Amino acid sequence: DADVTQTPRNRITKTGKRIMLECSQTKGHDRMYWYRQDPGLGLRLIYYSFDVKDINKGEISDGYSVSRQAQAKFSLSLESAIPNQTALYFCATSDPSDSSYNEQFFGPGTRLTVL
Amino acid sequence: AQSVTQLDSQVPVFEEAPVELRCNYSSSVSVYLFWYVQYPNQGLQLLLKYLSGSTLVKGINGFEAEFNKSQTSFHLRKPSVHISDTAEYFCAVSSSGSARQLTFGSGTQLTVLP
Repeated sequence: DADVTQTPRNRITKTGKRIMLECSQTKGHDRMYWYRQDPGLGLRLIYYSFDVKDINKGEISDGYSVSRQAQAKFSLSLESAIPNQTALYFCATSDPSDSSYNEQFFGPGTRLTVL
Repeated sequence: AQSVTQLDSQVPVFEEAPVELRCNYSSSVSVYLFWYVQYPNQGLQLLLKYLSGSTLVKGINGFEAEFNKSQTSFHLRKPSVHISDTAEYFCAVSSSGSARQLTFGSGTQLTVLP
């Protein structure tokens, strides 16, 4: 079984709809991240969480919100989706006690299309 | 602030030829460097990392990278590529700052031709 899972894997929605993307991990890591990937732009950080009570904005948080329901679960919401939020979204985890200095482990991604 | 530049967005190469994917970074503090690979329709997986010590780092699938502090580079190399190496490759940097955020480059699409 995969250590980091994302649901759904693909989603098509309409402008103005509320969407939630979910991420679960079995690695036991405290830190979790949400990125979006756009062609030619690489991965950009949306939000990150160092533990259940700690949520931080990343580079491109406008239009997004997150919820850390438990150590193992981190959800990303688009309150009112717009077409330029069409992208591939990745969840990742890392272990702060690991001496690998923030090596991150990625889920398989969610492809979101906003029409 | 830290940043990563991957100079080549696409690199086509014939099978069994050598390849080098270029990565330059900027940071005002000590850095840790990573190369990730993304195969089609998959997430990212770690190829190799530089934390300290030897500047030549070996990773999975025959890849290696060399950290060059004076040139602020971390180029990825493989002496002989296979069709299965076709993927997108991302260079990333993490600084020694408190948050140790990963900053990614824009990616290089490696296409291995038969």
